[in-house]
Amino acid sequence: DTEVTQTPKHLVMGMTNKKSLKCEQHMGHRAMYWYKQKAKKPPELMFVYSYEKLSINESVPSRFSPECPNSSLLNLHLHALQPEDSALYLCASRGQGGRTEAFFGQGTRLTVV
Amino acid sequence: AQKVTQAQTEISVVEKEDVTLDCVYETRDTTYYLFWYKQPPSGELVFLIRRNSFDEQNEISGRYSWNFQKSTSSFNFTITASQVVDSAVYFCALLTGGYQKVTFGTGTKLQVIP
Repeated sequence: DTEVTQTPKHLVMGMTNKKSLKCEQHMGHRAMYWYKQKAKKPPELMFVYSYEKLSINESVPSRFSPECPNSSLLNLHLHALQPEDSALYLCASRGQGGRTEAFFGQGTRLTVV
Repeated sequence: AQKVTQAQTEISVVEKEDVTLDCVYETRDTTYYLFWYKQPPSGELVFLIRRNSFDEQNEISGRYSWNFQKSTSSFNFTITASQVVDSAVYFCALLTGGYQKVTFGTGTKLQVIP
């Protein structure tokens, strides 16, 4: 099983809403990532979790709040977002060391209205 | 700091033509990994190949081949006899920083015309 599953696939939310994006993998990977991708741009790293601990936060605004409840799950809690936060949000996981590639989910297309 | 440059923004080829996608990277790390990913319109990033900084052996896999040249910091990707299904955005990526941070290039959009 080399799947990273993200839900929901599409999400439309108002600027006052609170929502969560979910990511799940069962490959035993201990590094999990959130990326944000705007149209026609490369993915931009937001957060990295290593062994369920936040190890990298790329100066992401606090309206994005990551959570890693266990080694298989990664959440991204959203609150008071802006229309410019509309993007494709990608989750990825990797095994340890450099020999493994990152496996990506299909992403959640988020629209903030 | 790490940087990946894909100078080609968009490429169009006619089906069955060969096409090479360029990637140039910058890093001060002596140990690093390079990847190519494909992103079709569906959005998912699909892993294609990995190379580490100690392995300059080039590889051919079916219609795909890769040319890693450490001396020029380049990791180019060639598709032979392109097909319409190859149409996608291709990203070159660099893994450094204690193997945590994956930095992507700006991507090359490939359109294969029937």
